[in-house]
Amino acid sequence: SAVISQKPSRDICQRGTSLTIQCQVDSQVTMMFWYRQQPGQSLTLIATANQGSEATYESGFVIDKFPISRPNLTFSTLTVSNMSPEDSSIYLCSVTTGEKLFFGSGTQLSVL
Amino acid sequence: SQQGEEDPQALSIQEGENATMNCSYKTSINNLQWYRQNSGRGLVHLILIRSNEREKHSGRLRVTLDTSKKSSSLLITASRAADTASYFCAHGSGNTGKLIFGQGTTLQVKP
Repeated sequence: SAVISQKPSRDICQRGTSLTIQCQVDSQVTMMFWYRQQPGQSLTLIATANQGSEATYESGFVIDKFPISRPNLTFSTLTVSNMSPEDSSIYLCSVTTGEKLFFGSGTQLSVL
Repeated sequence: SQQGEEDPQALSIQEGENATMNCSYKTSINNLQWYRQNSGRGLVHLILIRSNEREKHSGRLRVTLDTSKKSSSLLITASRAADTASYFCAHGSGNTGKLIFGQGTTLQVKP
C-alpha cells in the first residue's frame, strides 16, 4: 500500500493565475498519475509522471497548461497554468504499487 | 473514448437493502476494479477481479465479471448509511498501470 499526502486540499484562485499541487508518497514508486474530476463527472487521466523522464500526457492535455515535475521517487507536482473557470475541478494524484491505485485526498480548485 | 459506462447513475435505498450497480467497458482488459469516493475526495480501492475470474467476494461486496458481454456488477449486501458514496469501476489493459474509470454510480443509503 501507499499513503499519499496531497496539498492544498482546496483553493480559490483568480482567472489567469497558476496553482501548483503537491503530492508526497510515503514510499518510493515508479509511476505517479494525475487525474482531473470535473464537477459531477468521472476521473480523466491528465498524465503519467515517471521519475527521470518527461511526463506523458493524455489526449487533450498539454504540458504548457499542466506542467508536471517528478524530481524523485516520492514526490510530484502538477501546476494548473493560466487558469480559467473551466479548470474548476478536483485534481487527484495517484500511485500504483502493482495493479491497484492509491489516491491522495484531492485538491478542490475553484477558479473565479 | 474508452471510458466505460455505469448504471444506474444514482441509486437511493434504505438501510439493510442490497445495492447493485453495473459497469460496461469497451476494450479487452487484464482486470476490473471498483473504487469508492466519499464526498468528492480521494478514491479508495474496494476490490479487483481478474479477466479469468467470474465472481469475487470481499466482506459485504460481491463482484461479477462477464468478459463476453464486457460488463461487471458490484453488489453491496445489507447496506449501511456509511456506504453512502460514489462508486466507480475502472479497468486497465497492458502494463501501463493506467486505469480508465467509468462514469460512476452515486449511492445514497437512508437510515
